[in-house]
Amino acid sequence: DIQMTQSPSSLSASVGDRVSITCRASQSINSYLNWFQQKPGKAPKLLIYAASSLQSGVPSRFSGSESGTDFTLTISSLQPEDFATYYCQQNYNTPRTFGQGTKVEIK
Amino acid sequence: QVQLQQSGPGLVTPSQTLSLTCAISGDTVSGNSVAWNWIRQSPSRGLEWLGRTYYRSKWYNDYAVSVKSRIMINPDTSKNQFSLQLNSVTPEDTAVYYCVREVGYSRGWVFDYWGQGTLVSVSS
Repeated sequence: DIQMTQSPSSLSASVGDRVSITCRASQSINSYLNWFQQKPGKAPKLLIYAASSLQSGVPSRFSGSESGTDFTLTISSLQPEDFATYYCQQNYNTPRTFGQGTKVEIK
Repeated sequence: QVQLQQSGPGLVTPSQTLSLTCAISGDTVSGNSVAWNWIRQSPSRGLEWLGRTYYRSKWYNDYAVSVKSRIMINPDTSKNQFSLQLNSVTPEDTAVYYCVREVGYSRGWVFDYWGQGTLVSVSS
């Protein structure tokens, strides 16, 4: 199975901050990487697919990038509604696997 | 607009079978570029993909190795839904279970529509 390792596991930030979350795959997955946002009691919501493509309806402050097996989700200016947990997920093969999550909290 | 509506019990006795159903509206279970998945989430295991069913001239299933001996995911074309059966459950199977559509496109696959989630507790 492909292991997805996210860092950090949690972070504290203020409204307006630039925030980056990293996800490392245990092997090459090309660009088959998606990012999700999850709020308490809700299902995950797709933000980014194919490593850097913004899902329809998602604000442009969210962006994704890749370098080899390292992937980054960046929020350019953190908004109050962005405090949530973020997950990466590979769709290179089955079993589909997720990172362990990064919780973004209010400083 | 695709909607997935989950149903099933929230409490299962250890060693018994967990059964959940996911009713689909806005798409068809036998669609050609979609797959129908079950994913669960617990504090100890995080988000865990359990398996999927999909139709490509015939029906296929893929399952996670961790549950492969205990799981069945079945489509029901007459009701446009699919189901999860997980046998011989233990308290470690306690989790929120989601049914999820995965759609394929030129650059990969995405989980784009999720059910509302069902908290299933395994307890006597």
